[in-house]
Parts: sequence; C-alpha cells; structure tokens
Amino acid sequence: DAKTTQPTSMDCAEGRAANLPCNHSTISGNEYVYWYRQIHSQGPQYIIHGLKNNETNEMASLIITEDRKSSTLILPHATLRDTAVYYCIVGGATNKLIFGTGTLLAVQP
Amino acid sequence: SAVISQKPSRDICQRGTSLTIQCQVDSQVTMMFWYRQQPGQSLTLIATANQGSEATYESGFVIDKFPISRPNLTFSTLTVSNMSPEDSSIYLCSVEDQYNEQFFGPGTRLTVL
Repeated sequence: DAKTTQPTSMDCAEGRAANLPCNHSTISGNEYVYWYRQIHSQGPQYIIHGLKNNETNEMASLIITEDRKSSTLILPHATLRDTAVYYCIVGGATNKLIFGTGTLLAVQP
Repeated sequence: SAVISQKPSRDICQRGTSLTIQCQVDSQVTMMFWYRQQPGQSLTLIATANQGSEATYESGFVIDKFPISRPNLTFSTLTVSNMSPEDSSIYLCSVEDQYNEQFFGPGTRLTVL
C-alpha cells in the first residue's frame, strides 16, 4: 500500500501558486519524499525529492515539515501545461517507488 | 537526466499470444524497473531488474507471466505472456540515476482483444 495521503483533486488559477499537500505520517528516518507528475498519456515526470531540508529547483519547491510527517509541493506560477496528476511518494534511496492515487491538479485559465 | 525509449509504443494483440517490450536508455544504469498502469489507475510496480541478477517481482506478479531480461546496463525487455484482455494496460520502464532520481519511458500501450 502507498504510504502517502493526498487530496483527490485540486484547482488552481493560471499564474497563481499551486500548493499540493501530502501526508506521510509513517515515514521512516532514511526515506525520501519524491514528487512526480503524469500528464495525460505520458510517462511520469520527475519533479523533485528531499529528505528533511526544503528543496527548490527550476520546476518547483518542496517544503517538508520538521517532523517529516507531511510536505507541500509548490508550483510558483502555475500554467495550463501544469495540469496533471501529481504523485507524492515515500521511498528509500535506490528503492522502488510505490505510487498512490495522486492529486489531479486542474489549472484554470 | 536519462533518456528512455520503449518499443513498441503501442500494439493490439490477440489473447493467448505474447508480446515483448523493449526499453533502451542512453546511459548505463544499475537499476531498472517495470510498471503497469491499467486504464484509469495509478502505476503498479511489476519488478525490479538489475543487470547480472534475476529480476525481483512484486506480489501478484510472477516470472512465468512477465519474464524479464536485463542483458546489459542500457537495455531490458519485459514479455507479457499468454495475454488476456485483463493485461490491457500501459507498460512503463524506468531507471534510477546516481542522484536517486527515477526517469520513466513513454510507455507501451497494449490492447488485448
């Protein structure tokens, strides 16, 4: 079973920040938090991952709470092309990824 | 990031036949994975394929049904054997790089009649 809980769907206005939450209360000390997204009819795309520090790259920011039991993926300026299913996954280094049902983010014009 | 290609991109097959899906990556990687995504569903891991060892299958998947080859560090195949309509899915391979980032191929869309 997936180790994460995410809302089924979210809406976001184009140009605004999209904040996608994820609960992973059973995360263990050596497990990373990964975020992927899947645009319709494509393979999943890696976004970002982190262990306990906040991370930022050209696509997004990852905010992990101090107790590591939850995290938020932030897309700073959502565009229509960011409409996708976003998966929050917990896994150890060099480990398999167990996908949950994800959050369908719909960016509205 | 690794660039992954899969062949075929899609196929329509008759029940009882077998299909071999190829996965090619543009760099040498230790770990490769095969996933299945049934219509309207999330991804399910089938097996982990490391070069030089037997594939490790997840619960519910067996080698007789999904034999996997991993002859070198850039290539793997997954065979879907004795197919039935329930095997209609998208099959995806992925690889993990040295930074613990996993990259996915475009998928093979299989329809079994």
